[in-house]
Amino acid sequence: GAVVSQHPSWVICKSGTSVKIECRSLDFQATTMFWYRQFPKQSLMLMATSNEGSKATYEQGVEKDKFLINHASLTLSTLTVTSAHPEDSSFYICSARSSERGDVETQYFGPGTRLLVL
Amino acid sequence: GQNIDQPTEMTATEGAIVQINCTYQTSGFNGLFWYQQHAGEAPTFLSYNVLDGLEEKGRFSSFLSRSKGYSYLLLKELQMKDSASYLCAALDSNYQLIWGAGTKLIIKP
Repeated sequence: GAVVSQHPSWVICKSGTSVKIECRSLDFQATTMFWYRQFPKQSLMLMATSNEGSKATYEQGVEKDKFLINHASLTLSTLTVTSAHPEDSSFYICSARSSERGDVETQYFGPGTRLLVL
Repeated sequence: GQNIDQPTEMTATEGAIVQINCTYQTSGFNGLFWYQQHAGEAPTFLSYNVLDGLEEKGRFSSFLSRSKGYSYLLLKELQMKDSASYLCAALDSNYQLIWGAGTKLIIKP
């Protein structure tokens, strides 16, 4: 149980375009989803926390107008990188926290999305 | 401030035992996680400790001492596939995960 999927796994785009990444919890309901970014050989960096039905909470230094997050249902959150630039190239990983009893703290990660902006 | 400390890199031999230590300082505490992350992949959940003591799960065990702000991950009968980064993360009073930088474990034959 506790499977999280991400789509796409790889995306290459031109500078200035927007990219949408989907994160789905496949076999559980997730009231909270998290979006992370990880640069090579660096630790995970939390970008934002997304609660179903409400606005996302962004970490300091993360532009909310550039990284649009939507958490429309208990199983789906989307991250849209608007007007992507080469410095946005990174590994984007989502995680989902189960709302089911006995497992409310653990975050389960999606496989990640590699974004390369040319 | 909130802080997680763990060694940057460790090396061990196939078949041996290795212990990866983690110390934490957080505002409030709601548990300690260990995740495994292979190069180029997302983290996978290994363990969660909220009470003092040792939790064993196959070849992997995790220990927590809340009074000392200390945890370790113990890996037994090391296999080459255990080569990965091991991330320690503490859950603070707001249920936010505070991440360590990870320990890169290198297994040699």
